Amino acid sequence: GEQVEQLPSSLIVQEGASVLINCSYTDSASVYFPWYKQEPGKRLQFIIDIRSNMERKQNQRLTLLFDKKTKHLSLHITATQPGDSAIYFCSARGNYQLIWGSGTKLIIKP
Amino acid sequence: AQTIHQWPVAEIKAVGSPLSLGCTIKGKSSPNLYWYWQATGGTLQQLFYSITVGQVESVVQLNLSASRPKDDQFILSTEKLLLSHSGFYLCAWRDWGGAETLYFGSGTRLTVL
Repeated sequence: GEQVEQLPSSLIVQEGASVLINCSYTDSASVYFPWYKQEPGKRLQFIIDIRSNMERKQNQRLTLLFDKKTKHLSLHITATQPGDSAIYFCSARGNYQLIWGSGTKLIIKP
Repeated sequence: AQTIHQWPVAEIKAVGSPLSLGCTIKGKSSPNLYWYWQATGGTLQQLFYSITVGQVESVVQLNLSASRPKDDQFILSTEKLLLSHSGFYLCAWRDWGGAETLYFGSGTRLTVL
């Protein structure tokens, strides 16, 4: 079945810096790739997604890149703020269910 | 506006004891409902999903069961807890046939001793 690998597992950066979170998946039949974030004490919430017929999607300071050939995704966050501190999860949907990465814990130092 | 409420917030239970966790969605008709399990600091594993009242599909076997007695209610239960059941349980909903975005509850922290 589908497997999703997410790296790095943790990241500490200075406020204002950019970060890159990488995900790779194994099932070429996966067509939908949503990302969620889990801030401390808050609910898991959707932040951005992309479908397999796209290469790039942007939502304000978030840019999601998708490479179908290499089965790889990258989430780029620019101008980071303390409020970006959270655990970020990538996921991949094949036929029926979402398979989730193990998460990237991002800490933004003021 | 739609709201999702999970209960209880946290539970500490003994191995072998029964468990019932609940989830209620208000303001949304016939949502798809999901139960997820998250090991401490780990990834999410989908346990069950339901697209309609009385119909629940199991995704992974963990000696747990789920039921959907009402359109807006999803219950996760077991008669005998195992140590491996410890973790964070999340309920989520999404539109039936619509956008794929999942909306999560605040979760239940379960500790089995």
